[in-house]
Amino acid sequence: GAGVSQSPRYKVAKRGQDVALRCDPISGHVSLFWYQQALGQGPEFLTYFQNEAQLDKSGLPSDRFFAERPEGSVSTLKIQRTQQEDSAVYLCASSPPRQEGTREQYFGPGTRLTVT
Amino acid sequence: KNQVEQSPQSLIILEGKNCTLQCNYTVSPFSNLRWYKQDTGRGPVSLTIMTFSENTKSNGRYTATLDADTKQSSLHITASQLSDSASYICVVSAIGNQFYFGTGTSLTVIP
Repeated sequence: GAGVSQSPRYKVAKRGQDVALRCDPISGHVSLFWYQQALGQGPEFLTYFQNEAQLDKSGLPSDRFFAERPEGSVSTLKIQRTQQEDSAVYLCASSPPRQEGTREQYFGPGTRLTVT
Repeated sequence: KNQVEQSPQSLIILEGKNCTLQCNYTVSPFSNLRWYKQDTGRGPVSLTIMTFSENTKSNGRYTATLDADTKQSSLHITASQLSDSASYICVVSAIGNQFYFGTGTSLTVIP
């Protein structure tokens, strides 16, 4: 079946522009995660949804970052007034409903955001 | 502070050789530890997942070990292939659904 998809794959934005990054999780996966991965670094947690509820947004770096998942499936990560330090790959991952301890995460290919 | 550290940062080996990657963590309360392979321009793909009671897990030529007492894990790759060239990321999950990622080891296999 289809995996996690993300769009666009690449986005170039001028400093100050708003961007919206989309994640389509695997059908039936209740959990959805967003990560930010800087060049040469491991992913860093941004936020987590269970269905439509945003249960943890402690990793969002500033109030310019906003994520939503209104119907419990597709999620959008919005970054307002982009800054150069926002340049990174934004990864989305989803997990099926399982025992929490061994829940697997399936990652999308990421969106590479470059802010000029 | 919950942290995951990996070593070496990068590694170059000849095709056919074995290698071992290290992961040390301070995450608590520990739930499980995963190793991911991330090809350039792709999302991470899971290789192994180990819970507290497991000390070794294999997936083909990949073998992961876990010592929960010393909070160390290793990923051993046997008979490396060119396609093994990637970044290998150690991820430790804490009880409560928090995931902590290491910065990864960049492996290059050369012919």
